[in-house]
Amino acid sequence: DAGITQSPRHKVTETGTPVTLRCHQTENHRYMYWYRQDPGHGLRLIHYSYGVKDTDKGEVSDGYSVSRSKTEDFLLTLESATSSQTSVYFCATRSGIRERGEQFFGPGTRLTVL
Amino acid sequence: KQEVTQIPAALSVPEGENLVLNCSFTDSAIYNLQWFRQDPGKGLTSLLLIQSSQREQTSGRLNASLDKSSGRSTLYIAASQPGDSATYLCAVEGGSYIPTFGRGTSLIVHP
Repeated sequence: DAGITQSPRHKVTETGTPVTLRCHQTENHRYMYWYRQDPGHGLRLIHYSYGVKDTDKGEVSDGYSVSRSKTEDFLLTLESATSSQTSVYFCATRSGIRERGEQFFGPGTRLTVL
Repeated sequence: KQEVTQIPAALSVPEGENLVLNCSFTDSAIYNLQWFRQDPGKGLTSLLLIQSSQREQTSGRLNASLDKSSGRSTLYIAASQPGDSATYLCAVEGGSYIPTFGRGTSLIVHP
């Protein structure tokens, strides 16, 4: 377990409001990821980070932005939430280098956009 | 583009059975393959990591094998128990450090 926490764990918000989800890790892992998980789609990568201030887009990045100002924190922001962003959001980190890299996941944030 | 397929999508077995979950991938140029377990409403828990140079990994009643050349991995669960009921996902990773996940196998072990 990589000591990953996510906050909040549950959130209900209204369409058009900004939302920020936080991921915090205690293992000093370099790589961090944000996924969303939806029935029928599985896990989909939103954004990832390969170091402080180094981020890149995943396959479903539209409508999302991220920031990483410290190794331990990775923030996901929905600038203007839409109902299609209702989902369960998971943060993950990756330990090790090359073949020895292992992913660890946080407990998830359930977001409902009304 | 890497594609990962898990068969079957769902499986229901009586307690005590030995079972095999399958994971196949289209690009054999991988760094590693990882098996996860996900309980309802929870995050993913890492079960086993097989590096590209390895053929198998074992943890308790779990054994995972990897055949890169054929693009296949199997997760063997011995003497299944109701507590093994969960969704099992596999993920393969290449040099980009971005894993590709399968959709998972939903397992129910009934007493």
